[in-house]
Amino acid sequence: EPEVTQTPSHQVTQMGQEVILRCVPISNHLYFYWYRQILGQKVEFLVSFYNNEISEKSEIFDDQFSVERPDGSNFTLKIRSTKLEDSAMYFCASGRSIQNTIYFGEGSWLTVV
Amino acid sequence: GESVGLHLPTLSVQEGDNSIINCAYSNSASDYFIWYKQESGKGPQFIIDIRSNMDKRQGQRVTVLLNKTVKHLSLQIAATQPGDSAVYFCAEIMNSGGYQKVTFGTGTKLQVIP
Repeated sequence: EPEVTQTPSHQVTQMGQEVILRCVPISNHLYFYWYRQILGQKVEFLVSFYNNEISEKSEIFDDQFSVERPDGSNFTLKIRSTKLEDSAMYFCASGRSIQNTIYFGEGSWLTVV
Repeated sequence: GESVGLHLPTLSVQEGDNSIINCAYSNSASDYFIWYKQESGKGPQFIIDIRSNMDKRQGQRVTVLLNKTVKHLSLQIAATQPGDSAVYFCAEIMNSGGYQKVTFGTGTKLQVIP
C-alpha cells in the first residue's frame, strides 16, 4: 500500500541551526501538507502546498519556515534558525485531490537543544 | 472561533467489549470528518471518514455516526482488541481556497484492558 515516507525519523539539533525535514508523498498525490505536534498536544496545521506554491499557511509558519518541492518526488520543510520551541513531531501529509482523504507519514521527531 | 473537541480524554475498555469515542464539532460548514488513530511516536493513521451528507458509515469493526443536529461525531469500535489501544483524533475537513483545511481535536486515549 502506498505511503508517505519521512526522513529523518529523529533529529537532534542545536538552537540556531538550520534543519531540513524531508518527505516523499504518495506518488499520484498533488496536495502536500506539513503539520506539527508538540509533545502531549494536538496536531497543528503548518502549511499546504499545491502546484508548486503555498496554498495556505498558519501563523506558526513564520519567516523561519519554508517549503520546497525540489524535484518530482520530495517535499521538504526547512527551519532556518531553530528555536527550543520548535521541538516537536513534524508530519508530512499528502492527498490526491481536494476531495480525497489526506494521508500522513510517520513523522520526524525534532529535538532542539 | 470554530473548533473541534473531544468529550473524554481517556477511555478504558475491556478486551472484547465495544468502544465508543465521541467528538463535538462546531463548524457546520465542514465538508467531511475523519477519525485518525495515533499510536505512540507514530503519525496519524486514517481509520474512516464520513461526508457531511451522511449519517453513518461502516468499516471493518468500526462505525462512524454523524449527528448534524447536535454537531456530534462518534467512532464505534466493535470487539475492542489490545491493538486498538491508541489516541484517537477526530478531524474536521473543509475544502477552502484550493486546499483541504484539517482541524484536529485534542484526542481521546483508548486503553484496552486484556
